[in-house]
Amino acid sequence: DQQVKQNSPSLSVQEGRISILNCDYTNSMFDYFLWYKKYPAEGPTFLISISSIKDKNEDGRFTVFLNKSAKHLSLHIVPSQPGDSAVYFCAASSTNAGKSTFGDGTTLTVKP
Amino acid sequence: NAGVTQTPKFRVLKTGQSMTLLCAQDMNHEYMYWYRQDPGMGLRLIHYSVGEGTTAKGEVPDGYNVSRLKKQNFLLGLESAAPSQTSVYFCASSYPRTGDGYTFGSGTRLTVV
Repeated sequence: DQQVKQNSPSLSVQEGRISILNCDYTNSMFDYFLWYKKYPAEGPTFLISISSIKDKNEDGRFTVFLNKSAKHLSLHIVPSQPGDSAVYFCAASSTNAGKSTFGDGTTLTVKP
Repeated sequence: NAGVTQTPKFRVLKTGQSMTLLCAQDMNHEYMYWYRQDPGMGLRLIHYSVGEGTTAKGEVPDGYNVSRLKKQNFLLGLESAAPSQTSVYFCASSYPRTGDGYTFGSGTRLTVV
């Protein structure tokens, strides 16, 4: 049973517009949610995280929203830039578990 | 440069051969992890360690062994490689603070023929 799901394998947006990447989870014990970005032939890079006690966290062009009742989170990128084209992984973990569970990723393409 | 270094970057093995993947980090992180990524799939946890001398199984531990004899190193061993172990392997490390995220290595692409 996949505990973290990213239902959209791919997303294409125009440069300057908003990119919205979605993630759903099933385990109520998760209390931290993270987003990573991955370019081809490189390891993932940590982007932004949010604690379950918050509903929003912002870092520059990146904002993560958490809806605990729906067990859903989303990453907003505004404005999108061609350099944002990458695979984005959602991950979830519970404090003291010592490990994260990852979704399958969404490939974002930002067209100039 | 500070970070996570994986050795080797590429390897081709014959079925039944053994090998060890090395992961080294210089950030004094307590936790270390081994993940594998297969095409179209996310990162699946093989084994992890929350401190020197400790290891634990992840989602897909079968066919792999690990050791963490020193805090900065985490070794992943394949005793008898199988084609199903063809994958890209990523090592990562982190502090115990869950929201800080992992630092990943650049990966090892392993092909078992």
